[in-house]
Amino acid sequence: EPEVTQTPSHQVTQMGQEVILRCVPISNHLYFYWYRQILGQKVEFLVSFYNNEISEKSEIFDDQFSVERPDGSNFTLKIRSTKLEDSAMYFCASSAKRENTGELFFGEGSRLTVL
Amino acid sequence: AQSVTQLGSHVSVSEGALVLLRCNYSSSVPPYLFWYVQYPNQGLQLLLKYTTGATLVKGINGFEAEFKKSETSFHLTKPSAHMSDAAEYFCAVSPMNRDDKIIFGKGTRLHILP
Repeated sequence: EPEVTQTPSHQVTQMGQEVILRCVPISNHLYFYWYRQILGQKVEFLVSFYNNEISEKSEIFDDQFSVERPDGSNFTLKIRSTKLEDSAMYFCASSAKRENTGELFFGEGSRLTVL
Repeated sequence: AQSVTQLGSHVSVSEGALVLLRCNYSSSVPPYLFWYVQYPNQGLQLLLKYTTGATLVKGINGFEAEFKKSETSFHLTKPSAHMSDAAEYFCAVSPMNRDDKIIFGKGTRLHILP
């Protein structure tokens, strides 16, 4: 069964360092998303991506964040200069349809710990 | 704007007992409603969803949820809990017929007692 895969499963980094989280969406999907979940809090939308550009982003997704689909298969989230408050579980998701219908397929998540 | 409130961050039930996970939503327009489940060390998986039509929605693994507009609720139930149901459950809402994002609740961790 096709699935969304994410790497790394866990990354520990020093504050101020750059981090890249990688995702391989399901191959025939066209819409891609990043969500995050800070420990004990709700799953929060970060950004959606379609047709090689950002279609929507939340207020969390500031200039420190960027997304890219460099090679037609990977979908990456970059955090340029990590802060302590970036520590969270980051989920990638993909969909064949726009997100509104709920047909999202999520990866297992990448846990980021910023020290 | 949409929001979701899940009552109880942790719920414990005995194996074989009724599971009831509560979700209330707020939406200025008719909503789509979802329950996602996250098993340990796995991603979020769609359990069931309400879009239009029948208000009682059946999902995977014997779960169901009922959309009650008058109560702005979408509680998740299962008649008889199984040990394998131990997981985190997320209620989510999205406005119907608009391309807006899904808003998730904080999640409820379900513990199954032997």
